[in-house]
Amino acid sequence: EDQVTQSPEALRLQEGESSSLNCSYTVSGLRGLFWYRQDPGKGPEFLFTLYSAGEEKEKERLKATLTKKESFLHITAPKPEDSATYLCAVQDSGTYKYIFGTGTRLKVLA
Amino acid sequence: DGGITQSPKYLFRKEGQNVTLSCEQNLNHDAMYWYRQDPGQGLRLIYYSQIVNDFQKGDIAEGYSVSREKKESFPLTVTSAQKNPTAFYLCASSMGGRETQYFGPGTRLLVL
Repeated sequence: EDQVTQSPEALRLQEGESSSLNCSYTVSGLRGLFWYRQDPGKGPEFLFTLYSAGEEKEKERLKATLTKKESFLHITAPKPEDSATYLCAVQDSGTYKYIFGTGTRLKVLA
Repeated sequence: DGGITQSPKYLFRKEGQNVTLSCEQNLNHDAMYWYRQDPGQGLRLIYYSQIVNDFQKGDIAEGYSVSREKKESFPLTVTSAQKNPTAFYLCASSMGGRETQYFGPGTRLLVL
């Protein structure tokens, strides 16, 4: 069964304290892996799509990487405005269906 | 600006009432989706449509209905058969079924 697990559930960082969020997945065939940022009471905002193991993408303080079993979202020198829930999803290449994880709630303290 | 709009932002439903959530996109996307988000759970797919006048049930379609009469619009009706409708509803669209999905701002449905 397709499954996505995100860890940790919640993370508190001091401003400038770099860390990584994990997304591990089980899927019969991976079409793509997606990272989104979601602020409270708002819709998810697209960050990255990764298609194959070894691929990396960067945007400002965020860097996403992909292996055959998991993806990491690295946050370098985070700022309070990076506080949000980060969602990971995988797309099954057979059904094209998205499977979402439950997210990591990140809080960055000034 | 291109994007996805959802209305209303908040919606209140009385017992036995059907309510309709609006979703409009001007991205010229072919595919549209409805998800339900509950605390502590991942987004769950309610219905999706890959082309006008065609749609398919997702994982939790019971108690919901949709229509796709125009490419730009994909309204969701929460019927009285949905016994636990309180949730945050998200509409998304993509260029095609294989492409990245982009989300609207969401509608929060509450039961009176």
